[in-house]
Amino acid sequence: AQSVTQPDIHITVSEGASLELRCNYSYGATPYLFWYVQSPGQGLQLLLKYFSGDTLVQGIKGFEAEFKRSQSSFNLRKPSVHWSDAAEYFCAVKGGGADGLTFGKGTHLIIQP
Amino acid sequence: DADVTQTPRNRITKTGKRIMLECSQTKGHDRMYWYRQDPGLGLRLIYYSFDVKDINKGEISDGYSVSRQAQAKFSLSLESAIPNQTALYFCATCGSEQFFGPGTRLTVL
Repeated sequence: AQSVTQPDIHITVSEGASLELRCNYSYGATPYLFWYVQSPGQGLQLLLKYFSGDTLVQGIKGFEAEFKRSQSSFNLRKPSVHWSDAAEYFCAVKGGGADGLTFGKGTHLIIQP
Repeated sequence: DADVTQTPRNRITKTGKRIMLECSQTKGHDRMYWYRQDPGLGLRLIYYSFDVKDINKGEISDGYSVSRQAQAKFSLSLESAIPNQTALYFCATCGSEQFFGPGTRLTVL
């Protein structure tokens, strides 16, 4: 069965600083990988996804993620964070079947002024 | 209009009551899903459906049942609600990616 680990429960970053959120997955074959963001009291919004091809994926809101098969990782990055980026971020994996997504437990991002 | 809608958005109920959460979608997708979200646990899959006649249990289906009334409608029921079912519930549909509804916050007292 697939699994997702987000090692950081909370991350605090100063506004304007760079950001990297870590995600490690476990899946036997090439996975489909996703990053979602959840603002307080809101639903989930897809930031980006990786299915195949170029391992550096560009998403919305200036985010990008890099798929590294050798490290089983799909880390999310942003060069300069804004106060509006404060939210909960979830990494998710989907296997070859159609039985839904497996989510990590989330990383809570706090932005310092 | 939103592609995936959920009703109600908030519900407070008592232990032992039967509760139904409803989900409708206008995406035209065959696949629909119910997840629950608990603080610090992320989202976990409860049930999913490939079409009206195909219902499957997810990771945490105990205490829940579902009904796929039409391609566009997928309901989640708690036959006898208990306090540890207090959570945020999300419906989703799937084409090339999953689209989530806004969530239903359920509190069981």
